[in-house]
Amino acid sequence: ETGVTQTPRHLVMGMTNKKSLKCEQHLGHNAMYWYKQSAKKPLELMFVYSLEERVENNSVPSRFSPECPNSSHLFLHLHTLQPEDSALYLCASSPGGNSYEQYFGPGTRLTVT
Amino acid sequence: LAKTTQPISMDSYEGQEVNITCSHNNIATNDYITWYQQFPSQGPRFIIQGYKTKVTNEVASLFIPADRKSSTLSLPRVSLSDTAVYYCLVGDIGLTGGGNKLTFGTGTQLKVEL
Repeated sequence: ETGVTQTPRHLVMGMTNKKSLKCEQHLGHNAMYWYKQSAKKPLELMFVYSLEERVENNSVPSRFSPECPNSSHLFLHLHTLQPEDSALYLCASSPGGNSYEQYFGPGTRLTVT
Repeated sequence: LAKTTQPISMDSYEGQEVNITCSHNNIATNDYITWYQQFPSQGPRFIIQGYKTKVTNEVASLFIPADRKSSTLSLPRVSLSDTAVYYCLVGDIGLTGGGNKLTFGTGTQLKVEL
């Protein structure tokens, strides 16, 4: 039980669709993250939110739009994606401060057709 | 960011001790060393974190020499379920307001056989 949940677990969408990924953490953490993991590639950090404010954006295309309405919820809004955006999208949270321990959710397997 | 280098893959057998070494020659004074484990199609799981000397928990041990330019993750008596990718990360500075920025490399694929 990681305490970080993600929905949906699997998503297939067309390039013209708009969808959202949801992440929820029940750990009382201050920071939340979105990562992308493509096949046989390292995890790529996409966004970092700390205390509900975005503090890091690793030059992610604008077709990915994050939203953090409160410290427990994180969304990733998707629109006009490309097939190369197909990947495992992982959400994580951490207590903040100087802890490097991040708790990951199970991920959303996204396929763009 | 301190770069890490670790073997691409390792093979072992059940019941053996496995040691995975990671090089981080340009580690900064304030950096911590963290190891994660990842199974296919799952998110990584934190294993252990250390700054110097030795750290041990119920899962693994982490050995860090005095110069801190390398570290070794030790998994005692591995089983088939330990087959996974193991990532060595050198901690970046904490971000303002909390949170941190971890950079994952390609990791070490450990395969445990009977």
